[in-house]
Amino acid sequence: EDQVTQSPEALRLQEGESSSLNCSYTVSGLRGLFWYRQDPGKGPEFLFTLYSAGEEKEKERLKATLTKKESFLHITAPKPEDSATYLCAVQAAGANNLFFGTGTRLTVIP
Amino acid sequence: GAVVSQHPSWVICKSGTSVKIECRSLDFQATTMFWYRQFPKQSLMLMATSNEGSKATYEQGVEKDKFLINHASLTLSTLTVTSAHPEDSSFYICSARDLAGGADTQYFGPGTRLTVL
Repeated sequence: EDQVTQSPEALRLQEGESSSLNCSYTVSGLRGLFWYRQDPGKGPEFLFTLYSAGEEKEKERLKATLTKKESFLHITAPKPEDSATYLCAVQAAGANNLFFGTGTRLTVIP
Repeated sequence: GAVVSQHPSWVICKSGTSVKIECRSLDFQATTMFWYRQFPKQSLMLMATSNEGSKATYEQGVEKDKFLINHASLTLSTLTVTSAHPEDSSFYICSARDLAGGADTQYFGPGTRLTVL
């Protein structure tokens, strides 16, 4: 059965304090691993897709990496506007849908 | 990035009435769209997969007669909550699957907040 576990559940950082969010997954053949950002009361915003172990992608202060068991979302020198819930999702081989983790709620304090 | 819209963004209705929510992909065609439900401080729960020109596929535990889905075109899917009750109050989010350029990415709409009185 597909499983996605995100940790920590919540994270508070000082502005400029870099950190990483973890997404551990179990899936029967990974087609893709996705990171989304969700602000309160809004739909998720697409950030990255990772397809194979060793792959890395960057966007501004965010960098996503992938291994065979987990993915990390690294946040470098975060700003208050990076505060949001970050969702990880996996798509199994042959599947159309995504399976989401419960998210990490990030708060960046000025 | 691709844009998906939802309408309305919020709706309040009386118990027993039906509510229709529209999901549109604005700058790409989507043969597949998805409908999710999200409760406060919880993650997204897939309700159903909407396929253009064919019947929707519902997840276990989701009543297909209560949540009617129509995907009549490559850019529009609708979710109708029939005979709504207070327990149907939730945040409903759609996504559209973009397969252009060999990628396979779901882009999400902004969500619809449904409150049933």
